[in-house]
Amino acid sequence: AQSVTQPDIHITVSEGASLELRCNYSYGATPYLFWYVQSPGQGLQLLLKYFSGDTLVQGIKGFEAEFKRSQSSFNLRKPSVHWSDAAEYFCAVGAYSGGSNYKLTFGKGTLLTVNP
Amino acid sequence: GAVVSQHPSRVICKSGTSVKIECRSLDFQATTMFWYRQFPKQSLMLMATSNEGSKATYEQGVEKDKFLINHASLTLSTLTVTSAHPEDSSFYICSARVAGGFTDTQYFGPGTRLTVL
Repeated sequence: AQSVTQPDIHITVSEGASLELRCNYSYGATPYLFWYVQSPGQGLQLLLKYFSGDTLVQGIKGFEAEFKRSQSSFNLRKPSVHWSDAAEYFCAVGAYSGGSNYKLTFGKGTLLTVNP
Repeated sequence: GAVVSQHPSRVICKSGTSVKIECRSLDFQATTMFWYRQFPKQSLMLMATSNEGSKATYEQGVEKDKFLINHASLTLSTLTVTSAHPEDSSFYICSARVAGGFTDTQYFGPGTRLTVL
């Protein structure tokens, strides 16, 4: 079964600083990898995804993520954080289990606080 | 594109009553929809996978008789919490899957906050 680890529960950065949120996964094959963002009391918005090909993927809102197979990682980055980026970020792995059963497995999330 | 709506956004009910939550994919057809539950400051826990025209597949530990799921069409899935109790109070989120190759993605609804008194 697949699993996702987000080592950082809470990260605080200053506005304008760079950001990296860590994500490690466990899965026997190459999984589908996703980053979602959730504002308080809201659903999840897809930031970016990786299926195959170029290991550096670009997403919305200036985010990017890099898939590193050797490290089983899919870290999310942004060069300059804006106050509006404050939210909860979830990394997820999409994979099949038991044949045709597909599901997303989420990490526990990283709460991002942005200081002015 | 790829918008998923949920209704209602908030519901407060008395203990023992049933509550129905609707999940709709507004601009695409979803053969598979998922229902999640999220406790405060925690991640999403998958409750069940709903396939159009067939019975839902429930995750281990989820009571299928308590959380009734119906996937009547390619754009609508409903979750009914039967005989709700305070411990069922939670944030329920649905998602709809666009399957196939590079487009395989789940799009999430805005969530429904259920409070059982």
